[in-house]
Parts: sequence; structure tokens; C-alpha cells
Amino acid sequence: GENVEQHPSTLSVQEGDSAVIKCTYSDSASNYFPWYKQELGKRPQLIIDIRSNVGEKKDQRIAVTLNKTAKHFSLHITETQPEDSAVYFCAASKGTGYSTLTFGKGTMLLVSP
Amino acid sequence: GAVVSQHPSRVICKSGTSVKIECRSLDFQATTMFWYRQFPKQSLMLMATSNEGSKATYEQGVEKDKFLINHASLTLSTLTVTSAHPEDSSFYICSARPSGAGRADTQYFGPGTRLTVL
Repeated sequence: GENVEQHPSTLSVQEGDSAVIKCTYSDSASNYFPWYKQELGKRPQLIIDIRSNVGEKKDQRIAVTLNKTAKHFSLHITETQPEDSAVYFCAASKGTGYSTLTFGKGTMLLVSP
Repeated sequence: GAVVSQHPSRVICKSGTSVKIECRSLDFQATTMFWYRQFPKQSLMLMATSNEGSKATYEQGVEKDKFLINHASLTLSTLTVTSAHPEDSSFYICSARPSGAGRADTQYFGPGTRLTVL
């Protein structure tokens, strides 16, 4: 089955700095890669996703890049703000109507004012 | 759009009782819903995939007779933890995947249910 590795497990940055979280996946058939943000005790919220026919996608301060050959994808957050502090999960799936998401172990991002 | 509700948000029960958790997609239809379990400071562990009108598919190691899943309509799935024990205490989260082309792989999560078994 699919295996998703996520690094780092914790990341501390100063407000205004950039943050990068990296994930690798094992199944070359995976073609859908979402990122979720989860604040303590709350639901995971989809913040951005990318499909394998695209190399990069951007939404304001958030961007995701995908390298299919190397089987890795990354989340980039620029101009970080304290409210970006949360746990971020990457995931991968085959993107069919019957596929499941395999999640990484999560990255706790702490943005200090 | 794409709102998923979950009820109850918290439940405390005695050991040996059963607890039912509801997951509803409020503004879309979901042929498929998922049930996850999350321990503190850990990732989401998929328990089972719930398909409307058919039996759920359970992940390896998840007891289907203990975690009963019913997906009776395109907007409602329920998880019943039967004969709950303290080790079943956890955060249970559902997600729903919208039916229809173009959104077949996106999952939207409910707010979760904190179960505490005394």
C-alpha cells in the first residue's frame, strides 16, 4: 500500500519567515495530494491540493510543488503569521472514486510573533 | 459549501455501553464517507470506508463487530462503538467525499467526536 513520509515533525519560525514542509510517497500510481491544517481539537481543513498533471499550485501565501519523478511534494507558506500555527498533514491517494487518503504523520508549525 | 457536521461533539459513557456517532454532509451528497480515529498528537488513522447502500470496508486490525457503520443515505453515516471500553477513548473524525465528477477525491472533515469511556 501507499506510504507517506512527512518532515519535519515540528517547525518553529519567526513571524514573516517562510515555512516549508516536505512529503514523500511510495506509490507511483498516486495522483492526488491534498494538504490539511488542523488546529488543536478541531477538524482538519483542506488548505490546498494538487494533482499529478500539475507541477505547482499557488493560493495567496500558500503554494504546493510536486515532483512526480522523485515522488515528493512540498507545502510552502510565505510571510507566516501566528495564526498559521497548527498541525499540517500531507496526504496522497490514487484519486479515483474508490481510493482512500494516506496521511503523513503531521508537522506542528509554530509561528512566533 | 462542503460542510460536514458530526454529532455529538463530546460523549462520556460507562464501560460496556454503546455509543452512536452521526456524520452528515449538509450541503452536498456523499456516496462515500470515511471514519478516522486520532490519538493525541498523532495522525489520522483510517478505520473504515462507508459506502451508501453497501457494507463498509474496514481497515486491517479494525473490528467490524465492534465498530458498526451504517450509511443509509447520501448525507448520513453513523458509527456505533459497541460495548465501549476505556481503550476506545479517542477522537473520532468522519469525512465525506462529494459525489459527482471532478470532486471524487476531495474529502471534507467533520469537527470530530471526543469519546471518553470511564
